[in-house]
Amino acid sequence: GESVGLHLPTLSVQEGDNSIINCAYSNSASDYFIWYKQESGKGPQFIIDIRSNMDKRQGQRVTVLLNKTVKHLSLQIAATQPGDSAVYFCAENTEFSGGYNKLIFGAGTRLAVHP
Amino acid sequence: DAMVIQNPRYQVTQFGKPVTLSCSQTLNHNVMYWYQQKSSQAPKLLFHYYDKDFNNEADTPDNFQSRRPNTSFCFLDIRSPGLGDAAMYLCATSTAEAETQYFGPGTRLLVL
Repeated sequence: GESVGLHLPTLSVQEGDNSIINCAYSNSASDYFIWYKQESGKGPQFIIDIRSNMDKRQGQRVTVLLNKTVKHLSLQIAATQPGDSAVYFCAENTEFSGGYNKLIFGAGTRLAVHP
Repeated sequence: DAMVIQNPRYQVTQFGKPVTLSCSQTLNHNVMYWYQQKSSQAPKLLFHYYDKDFNNEADTPDNFQSRRPNTSFCFLDIRSPGLGDAAMYLCATSTAEAETQYFGPGTRLLVL
């Protein structure tokens, strides 16, 4: 079936370094992608999104890159801070046969920031 | 601030004892979702409402039901909780099914 997966389950970085979290998706028809951050005991928090007509989008300290040729999505966090420690999920919004869209989540990557 | 609110944040119930989780939103979004999330896993969609239209996922057990009495509120009813139903339950909303979903803080359910 269609799925969204991640290459690295855990990523450890030093404070101040840049972080890159990767995600592969399999549904070439998906046209909208979202990154969520989930801290322990909390709900997922929207970080940034990108539509399939773009290949890059920047936010505050975060950048999302979309490579449709290889169906790959990445989240770059600049100058990683301890507060960035969390699990990061990519999600693709795709249309299903029932005539509605829904989010398919990747497995998640835990980002651990060390001082 | 506009937001998604879930109550209670923690719920303890006994095996087989019905339980209801609550979600409310001030975003005036058309769509409300319920997800189940187990430890170290991605959220799993149980069902969603587009306005009053209910869409159940094919693999959602009959033990899970939902009600949406109005735009602002949506409830998750677990008729006979089993030990395997212990999880975080997340409510989310969006303006439309193809748009960004905004999540509440979740309710952690413990089944004894």
